[in-house]
Amino acid sequence: ELKVEQNPLFLSMQEGKNYTIYCNYSTTSDRLYWYRQDPGKSLESLFVLLSNGAVKQEGRLMASLDTKARLSTLHITAAVHDLSATYFCAVDMKYDGSQGNLIFGKGTKLSVKP
Amino acid sequence: EPEVTQTPSHQVTQMGQEVILRCVPISNHLYFYWYRQILGQKVEFLVSFYNNEISEKSEIFDDQFSVERPDGSNFTLKIRSTKLEDSAMYFCASLTGTGGDEQYFGPGTRLTVT
Repeated sequence: ELKVEQNPLFLSMQEGKNYTIYCNYSTTSDRLYWYRQDPGKSLESLFVLLSNGAVKQEGRLMASLDTKARLSTLHITAAVHDLSATYFCAVDMKYDGSQGNLIFGKGTKLSVKP
Repeated sequence: EPEVTQTPSHQVTQMGQEVILRCVPISNHLYFYWYRQILGQKVEFLVSFYNNEISEKSEIFDDQFSVERPDGSNFTLKIRSTKLEDSAMYFCASLTGTGGDEQYFGPGTRLTVT
């Protein structure tokens, strides 16, 4: 059974600081996704990581994937209040090349304070 | 930009009643999914649908659940006899299936069972 673990689950940051959210998963997969969710809202896709060593950046967020370590990171640079949200990583269950079903981590609730 | 739509946005029902949640996936997408999120918890996979049949389902998706694509545009989730524990946000998602792409999530339907 594929398990996805995120840490930390809660993160309170000051504006301007850097931090990293970690996502570990238990079985082979080469597709990993990061989503953002604002309270009461749907899931907004942030990054799709499809291969070992993949690194993607958008604004103050950068995501990377190490399939050998089964680890993805979401790095936040110089946090601003607008980044306050819950961040989920999700792993595609199917690793045989076809798209499968996403298994989500529990989410990291990020709060950025002035 | 094309988007996944869901109706209703909020459904209140009494325990034991049947509900149908509706989704209109993005028009050229081939894979369809239902997920649920109990308040404050992670997103959980329910079922995937491809080529007019269920391709995978989770343990949550028991006999009280069913899915259907009644026409070329709608994708529905039916819960036959709702229970209190079915109260959750239900998200529909779709993707093209051409490889390497992401699942696009709808805005969700909040189901409240009383």
